[in-house]
Amino acid sequence: EDQVTQSPEALRLQEGESSSLNCSYTVSGLRGLFWYRQDPGKGPEFLFTLYSAGEEKEKERLKATLTKKESFLHITAPKPEDSATYLCAAASGGGADGLTFGKGTHLIIQP
Amino acid sequence: NAGVTQTPKFRVLKTGQSMTLLCAQDMNHEYMYWYRQDPGMGLRLIHYSVGEGTTAKGEVPDGYNVSRLKKQNFLLGLESAAPSQTSVYFCASSYRWTLTGLSGNTIYFGEGSWLTVV
Repeated sequence: EDQVTQSPEALRLQEGESSSLNCSYTVSGLRGLFWYRQDPGKGPEFLFTLYSAGEEKEKERLKATLTKKESFLHITAPKPEDSATYLCAAASGGGADGLTFGKGTHLIIQP
Repeated sequence: NAGVTQTPKFRVLKTGQSMTLLCAQDMNHEYMYWYRQDPGMGLRLIHYSVGEGTTAKGEVPDGYNVSRLKKQNFLLGLESAAPSQTSVYFCASSYRWTLTGLSGNTIYFGEGSWLTVV
């Protein structure tokens, strides 16, 4: 059974305080690892897709990395507008064509 | 460009009633998906479709039916609603998977439909 586990469940940071969110996955044949941002009352908003170990992608203050067992979302010098729930999801080659999601990390950036 | 549009946004049903959620996408995507999101559970795949006229079961399909009569639309039906189906439902769409990855590299989500069954 495909599993995606995110940690921590919640994280509170001061503005400018860098940190990392973790996503560990167990899937049969990883086809892709996805990161989304979700604001309250909204649908998930796409951030990154990673396909192979060693791959990295960046967007503004966010950087996603991938190893064979986990992915990290690094947040550098965050601002209050980065507050959201960050979702990690894996696409497996062994099952349905959808994504298996983690439960998310609720990030709060205090001014 | 509207992307993925879901209707209705909010609905309250009585136990045993039926209803249909409509999802429409204007990106000419082959794949469409229905997820539900519950507190502490994350997003879970209900049903999906890899093309017009096709449907397949996801992780939590019981109590739901789907249809994809047109490429741009994906309908999710509840035949006899139960309180356990109270949830937020998200529709999503994407291009298809290839040997090198997901065409377009992303799956787009709608804004959600809040369903309460009393």
